Amino acid sequence: ETGVTQSPTHLIKTRGQQVTLRCSSQSGHNTVSWYQQALGQGPQFIFQYYREEENGRGNFPPRFSGLQFPNYSSELNVNALELDDSALYLCASSLAERGRDTQYFGPGTRLTVL
Amino acid sequence: AQSVSQHNHHVILSEAASLELGCNYSYGGTVNLFWYVQYPGQHLQLLLKYFSGDPLVKGIKGFEAEFIKSKFSFNLRKPSVQWSDTAEYFCAVGPHAGNMLTFGGGTRLMVKP
Repeated sequence: ETGVTQSPTHLIKTRGQQVTLRCSSQSGHNTVSWYQQALGQGPQFIFQYYREEENGRGNFPPRFSGLQFPNYSSELNVNALELDDSALYLCASSLAERGRDTQYFGPGTRLTVL
Repeated sequence: AQSVSQHNHHVILSEAASLELGCNYSYGGTVNLFWYVQYPGQHLQLLLKYFSGDPLVKGIKGFEAEFIKSKFSFNLRKPSVQWSDTAEYFCAVGPHAGNMLTFGGGTRLMVKP
């Protein structure tokens, strides 16, 4: 048990809708990263937040956006949902220690887009 | 761009057999290396990690991995697997000065009792 929690567990949306996923980081961690894990694949990095600022982004379009709050919790927002957005969305938290960061993952939110 | 390759997509072993899962990466710089495991119905858990120093690292549940810099490899090993090791295993690489992990496609291990 890592202490990283995510909500909701499952979500069903239709194409074109918007969704917000939430993550509470492990106590003492100041960095949150989001990943998309499609069925049968490894997680793909979406973006990372450190001290409420985006601190790196993977190859995802601008309709994927995020926030980090002063308590280090985070949100992932996806606009204009597409069928290919169906995936497990993972949040990982870490304590930024230069050169020695270790990410701890939450259980994920399973998003289905119909 | 970073990439991680896990050559074995599915592995089936009998209990007590030895395990080696391959992981090769491509990255032009100093890296941090990780193995994560995802047991059925559970979230990704850290098995072991390498930042620097001794290239042979030991993790939880009897797993170890060896970093071979010249081969860009970080293979996972266990001398004797148990049925409870049935899971999906992911190798991940991150830049030493950053925190953005690139994952391999995973290896699904099934251990027969």
